[in-house]
Amino acid sequence: LAKTTQPISMDSYEGQEVNITCSHNNIATNDYITWYQQFPSQGPRFIIQGYKTKVTNEVASLFIPADRKSSTLSLPRVSLSDTAVYYCLVGGNNRLAFGKGNQVVVIP
Amino acid sequence: DAGVIQSPRHEVTEMGQEVTLRCKPISGHNSLFWYRQTMMRGLELLIYFNNNVPIDDSGMPEDRFSAKMPNASFSTLKIQPSEPRDSAVYFCASSMTGGGSQPQHFGDGTRLSIL
Repeated sequence: LAKTTQPISMDSYEGQEVNITCSHNNIATNDYITWYQQFPSQGPRFIIQGYKTKVTNEVASLFIPADRKSSTLSLPRVSLSDTAVYYCLVGGNNRLAFGKGNQVVVIP
Repeated sequence: DAGVIQSPRHEVTEMGQEVTLRCKPISGHNSLFWYRQTMMRGLELLIYFNNNVPIDDSGMPEDRFSAKMPNASFSTLKIQPSEPRDSAVYFCASSMTGGGSQPQHFGDGTRLSIL
């Protein structure tokens, strides 16, 4: 099972860019990298998914280096409502694993 | 689309009782996942189904836990007998296909407390 490692928590000021890195050294060829956001008392919510290089959508960007052993989620100009736990998920076919999650606290 | 629907939202029961958690996946999704979340262990995958067939149940903690998916629109997770250490939030998720190539859509969870 592809394991992931993230920092436990981080603080950021409102309006700043936040970058969260996830390590997944034993990622397999078929594995995709997916990030989720979770607010208290809610289920995780899909943010972005990628396989290699860079992916961008309306809420975030995902940077994946050539060796795919890590990935970085970038949240541009965070607001207070971005305070949440962010999970990195690596999986493909029958191999799924959530990381421990990274608590991001946005400070006014 | 109503999203993934879980019931009940909260369950409080005494140890030794049978607990049944229910999930209705998003229509058209072929894969269904059951997770357990606690402060200590984070989010753990318990079992997942593809086309109603259990594919990986290696995360099921012990024989007291069982999961079924009798049809494409319904799944249950049962704990019998329940123990206080089973207290957690249980999430159900569904996706269009299995594995990690399609994002999973989560329900709002069932908060289970075993006294």
